[in-house]
Amino acid sequence: ETGVTQSPTHLIKTRGQQVTLRCSSQSGHNTVSWYQQALGQGPQFIFQYYREEENGRGNFPPRFSGLQFPNYSSELNVNALELDDSALYLCASSLEGTGANVLTFGAGSRLTVL
Amino acid sequence: GENVEQHPSTLSVQEGDSAVIKCTYSDSASNYFPWYKQELGKRPQLIIDIRSNVGEKKDQRIAVTLNKTAKHFSLHITETQPEDSAVYFCAASNLGSARQLTFGSGTQLTVLP
Repeated sequence: ETGVTQSPTHLIKTRGQQVTLRCSSQSGHNTVSWYQQALGQGPQFIFQYYREEENGRGNFPPRFSGLQFPNYSSELNVNALELDDSALYLCASSLEGTGANVLTFGAGSRLTVL
Repeated sequence: GENVEQHPSTLSVQEGDSAVIKCTYSDSASNYFPWYKQELGKRPQLIIDIRSNVGEKKDQRIAVTLNKTAKHFSLHITETQPEDSAVYFCAASNLGSARQLTFGSGTQLTVLP
């Protein structure tokens, strides 16, 4: 059984640029959620994807968007990067229909915006 | 929306002592409460969770208690060991909604040898 993998692990961008982060879900999982974790804070829910559609969204602007592919992997896209977007972006997968919100997290992508 | 508050933000205990971390939540519809452990530079890992139909759950040295009336839940770690040192996050969600967890701000636990 493979876990949740994310890429890249670290990246540096400048303000105004765009970034794409990638996530492969754990084997057998069909749902992917994305969280933003600022330094010293708890993760904040961005959105969730199930059956290739957004299925819930937190308090994030539209410049945060995502995709889920038929193999359940996912991408997080952030446009017009701002300094405050600097954070650890965590992907978590789960299995819809199990009746529990048991999330398995990846190690994250550390984004620095200069 | 849901709001989760977590205390204390830092906690230092001697090896072998117990540690208690407390969280309160605001949304009475929340019915699932997991706890995650995050070591420095690593992914959050689920260590225990509880649903609102039970008041307490134990797993070896770890236990979680839930008081639905007061809307608070706590993590108890007994016989602490240096490897328990990490940041612990509580979270809350409604099982009927999307897999949206609302996390607390975390507790840095340090177990002193």
